[in-house]
Amino acid sequence: GAGVSQSPSNKVTEKGKDVELRCDPISGHTALYWYRQSLGQGLEFLIYFQGNSAPDKSGLPSDRFSAERTGGSVSTLTIQRTQQEDSAVYLCASSLMVNTEAFFGQGTRLTVV
Amino acid sequence: QQQVKQSPQSLIVQKGGISIINCAYENTAFDYFPWYQQFPGKGPALLIAIRPDVSEKKEGRFTISFNKSAKQFSLHIMDSQPGDSATYFCAASLTSGTYKYIFGTGTRLKVLA
Repeated sequence: GAGVSQSPSNKVTEKGKDVELRCDPISGHTALYWYRQSLGQGLEFLIYFQGNSAPDKSGLPSDRFSAERTGGSVSTLTIQRTQQEDSAVYLCASSLMVNTEAFFGQGTRLTVV
Repeated sequence: QQQVKQSPQSLIVQKGGISIINCAYENTAFDYFPWYQQFPGKGPALLIAIRPDVSEKKEGRFTISFNKSAKQFSLHIMDSQPGDSATYFCAASLTSGTYKYIFGTGTRLKVLA
């Protein structure tokens, strides 16, 4: 695609439910990143993929958070048993190689009620 | 040691003025320093980036100044325009290691017409 695509763009879920957020990176981009942006805050690193492997998962806030990437392309971020503090905009970015320009999607706004 | 400190938190500039945003980092191993611009409801977009082998990079009205010894870098927006009103994030990353971007907390810029 022309850019990084994220879906859904908005998600409202009840506390305790599981959610899946999807990221379609730019075709051919090997590196993929997930970040979280809380209201009025900076970007908090969650996880980084190189191909299908995740060399750095250090930003995942708890074991309720997991992510996978298949075929070196689409990635899914899963949050189990959502809590209100999980409410944020989840941003995905991809880059051709590591340490080259990272292109961001528009994000998924998650609201846990 | 992974932090990037950004200031000011918010900035108001008259049209035609110069906007200056500063960032400081701790890890001397960082070797890629991008600036991102984010409009409300959108993902961050790369504005300009610099590597530590140069002290200044200019692209149009946007200039990065880099001081390796002080571990500081700044964004200058010349002839600021109302369309520049956005949130600006500095970031730093490593060529080797985990490759993740460490972001500053953001500066909300408002350019008055």
